[in-house]
Amino acid sequence: EVQLLESGGGLVQPGGSLRLSCAASGFTFSTCAMSWVRQAPGKGLEWVSALSGSSATTYYADSVKGRFTISRDNSKNTLYLQMDSLGAEDTAVYYCAKYRGPRWGELWHDYWGQGTLVTVSS
Amino acid sequence: QSVLTQPPSVSAAPGQKVTISCSGSSSNIGNNHVSWYRQLPGTAPKLLIYDNDKRPSGIPDRFSGSKSGTSATLGITGLQTGDEADYYCGTWDSSLLAGVFGGGTKLTVL
Repeated sequence: EVQLLESGGGLVQPGGSLRLSCAASGFTFSTCAMSWVRQAPGKGLEWVSALSGSSATTYYADSVKGRFTISRDNSKNTLYLQMDSLGAEDTAVYYCAKYRGPRWGELWHDYWGQGTLVTVSS
Repeated sequence: QSVLTQPPSVSAAPGQKVTISCSGSSSNIGNNHVSWYRQLPGTAPKLLIYDNDKRPSGIPDRFSGSKSGTSATLGITGLQTGDEADYYCGTWDSSLLAGVFGGGTKLTVL
């Protein structure tokens, strides 16, 4: 059974940093592209970042480029999101999601974690 | 403002059919595959349709997907009260080099 378990969310002050983790199990983690998707309170889904199974390729939404860093440790089956220079606009539930498919234009999210809440406030 | 455009809400009676549209451009829907997700209140999204028109195992054939040009459509037949949820389309954007989602459509089963 595929499981994705996010952790690391919480309350952080504006300008602060936070690192999210996503522990994966039930599939061959190293062969799967992974992503982070967030959802601000009462709003829709916003794609944040993704990286390939080997970490060779990373992508970011313009809204987080230069502030967030996605990474993974395939030996620990864990995905990370380092978030720096956080602002109120980053307040959201952050979902870890597994990609499936042959190439970037033909991928879909087949499994999602339960999400972790990040609140940026003073 | 989402890259993909969905109607904010749709509604229909139990047992009826509803369609949800998702409009994009040549850099996203026009040249990439579309997937659809359902999100019940307070829960994570769940995959409904992938590769424009394929259903994962466990998703009933009441749900269907199609794509034409730069638009995609999700169809739901035999509506049930349990279908009330938010529905999102998603794809890759080859110009932005990023994933994109629609703004979401709230389905109400009257």
